[in-house]
Amino acid sequence: DAKTTQPTSMDCAEGRAANLPCNHSTISGNEYVYWYRQIHSQGPQYIIHGLKNNETNEMASLIITEDRKSSTLILPHATLRDTAVYYCIVRSGAGSYQLTFGKGTKLSVIP
Amino acid sequence: NAGVTQTPKFQVLKTGQSMTLQCAQDMNHEYMSWYRQDPGMGLRLIHYSVGAGITDQGEVPNGYNVSRSTTEDFPLRLLSAAPSQTSVYFCASIPPGSMNTEAFFGQGTRLTVV
Repeated sequence: DAKTTQPTSMDCAEGRAANLPCNHSTISGNEYVYWYRQIHSQGPQYIIHGLKNNETNEMASLIITEDRKSSTLILPHATLRDTAVYYCIVRSGAGSYQLTFGKGTKLSVIP
Repeated sequence: NAGVTQTPKFQVLKTGQSMTLQCAQDMNHEYMSWYRQDPGMGLRLIHYSVGAGITDQGEVPNGYNVSRSTTEDFPLRLLSAAPSQTSVYFCASIPPGSMNTEAFFGQGTRLTVV
């Protein structure tokens, strides 16, 4: 699976959009981009995933660049409960179930 | 629907003791896995299983054994605990299918080896 690069930490004002970047320049054609978050040492929670089209669900939006070498997770209206470590993971969707976690981005939502 | 359940939540062991961390899921997922997370680090894969009777090693398998006799259960055994195994352990399961690949995690077992 391709490696990912994320900033170590970010701050976001409560109520504003949080934009979390991820670089995955070695991504191959059959690899998906997944985002998980971990709140206060709880078990990681799935947020969203995509292949090449932008995706949106009730939690977030995922924007993937046309060359697929980077992506951005957008939390449209960050709340204090969104303070967490966010992990960007790239893996093959074809029968590969393993997730490789980096250190992620620590997002702090500021009141 | 309980999801993924891990027991115990906390455990303190003495060096050399053995124990089993329990993981159970009630979603009929074929794939299950164990991770460990050390302070300030991401999760690292210990062992995984793609179905009953099938297990394989992940990134950091040394010192751990697993078995998968049923779809529901995937216990992790520490044969002779060492201080280096002090960590938080997470169990995860994933439903079958290449697209439906959201992983479900348990709430973790915090293990301290003294």
